[in-house]
Amino acid sequence: EVQVVESGGGLVKPGGSLRLSCAASGFTFSDAWMSWVRQAAGKGLEWVGRIKSKTAGGTTDYTAPVKGRFIISRDDSTNMLYLQMSSLKMEDTAVYYCATEFHGSYNYWGQGTLVSVSS
Amino acid sequence: EIVMTQSPATLSVSPGERATLSCRASQSVGSNLAWYQQKPGQAPRLLIYGASSRATGFPARFSGSGSGTEFTLTVSGLQSEDFAVYYCQQYNSWPPSTFGPGTRVDFK
Repeated sequence: EVQVVESGGGLVKPGGSLRLSCAASGFTFSDAWMSWVRQAAGKGLEWVGRIKSKTAGGTTDYTAPVKGRFIISRDDSTNMLYLQMSSLKMEDTAVYYCATEFHGSYNYWGQGTLVSVSS
Repeated sequence: EIVMTQSPATLSVSPGERATLSCRASQSVGSNLAWYQQKPGQAPRLLIYGASSRATGFPARFSGSGSGTEFTLTVSGLQSEDFAVYYCQQYNSWPPSTFGPGTRVDFK
């Protein structure tokens, strides 16, 4: 059974940092392209960024509002995906989902982890 | 960046009726369009990919159509478990991948 489980969310002050983790199982993680998608309370979905598999170059892409502040990385030896967030802003407050990419769509999602940025 | 719009914002439907949801892209996305279903407190679930291919676990009453800039999700014979928010997403031209604002399907 495919599972992706996020962790690491919490309350952080503006300007602070936080690292989210996503534990994957039930599929060949090293072959997977993985994305982070966020959702502010009562709002729609926003793609945050993705990391390709190492065989595809392992490169990353980000949405403009987080470029230069967020870094996505992966550890294929432990089937873990990470989102390092720095210089956090109040508008980064959201539930952050880890998702597996399937030809551009997202076929498996975690339950999400809540990030609250507030003073 | 491709902008996705969805209409209507809210669709009130009675059980057993047909629901027709629209999604429009600001430029052509070919057939690189997905639909997701999200229920309160849950993660989104992939419903349709490639504009018309149904994902695992969804019954045949869900169907997707369209290409280019105009897409439709149809739910025939709406059942109680289908009341949810539905999002479309284009993945033809990215980054960034972009989602529509969603259509809420609720009880009439």
